[in-house]
Amino acid sequence: GQQLNQSPQSMFIQEGEDVSMNCTSSSIFNTWLWYKQDPGEGPVLLIALYKAGELTSNGRLTAQFGITRKDSFLNISASIPSDVGIYFCAGHPSGGSNYKLTFGKGTLLTVNP
Amino acid sequence: EAGVAQSPRYKIIEKRQSVAFWCNPISGHATLYWYQQILGQGPKLLIQFQNNGVVDDSQLPKDRFSAERLKGVDSTLKIQPAKLEDSAVYLCASSFRVGEADTQYFGPGTRLTVL
Repeated sequence: GQQLNQSPQSMFIQEGEDVSMNCTSSSIFNTWLWYKQDPGEGPVLLIALYKAGELTSNGRLTAQFGITRKDSFLNISASIPSDVGIYFCAGHPSGGSNYKLTFGKGTLLTVNP
Repeated sequence: EAGVAQSPRYKIIEKRQSVAFWCNPISGHATLYWYQQILGQGPKLLIQFQNNGVVDDSQLPKDRFSAERLKGVDSTLKIQPAKLEDSAVYLCASSFRVGEADTQYFGPGTRLTVL
């Protein structure tokens, strides 16, 4: 099946710092999504991207759909303690079922106050 | 609006036992998904229902896993018999329409431990 390579695997930062994480694939994706998962909860959608080159913001979060359609990144500015959690990228591969999401392995973010 | 409900939240069983998980999707959502999330991994789709019909169960281990969605609302996922490698969080999600990625809403999950 499709594989998404998400990096870094984990991050430890100080409150107030900016964070960047990315997701790459060997094949083209039609949709890129970024989710956050808190302990004991299901993933919550943060940002959805539908076009190559698209740059979308949601508060302190900004995500971009790569021009090659094989990558995406998520930035978090001025991190706060509640940003702690696991961030997943996910997407719909080109040519695949338009409803089956492929998820990355996640980036664990720890914010030190 | 109430979210996706799942129960139980936690379950511990011994290998070869049976277990069942229940999901109640958001009211009006026609599509229901079951995912398996192994520790350190992203969710993996097991089965998708559109109303009460199966759309995709290609990644469901059918020798031991089964799922149903009677009346097109609630759904039950069963494992019989369980293996050690089935230890994972089982997530249920629902969406209003097929193919609308941004409308998949996840429940809190059921954490299964197989001893």
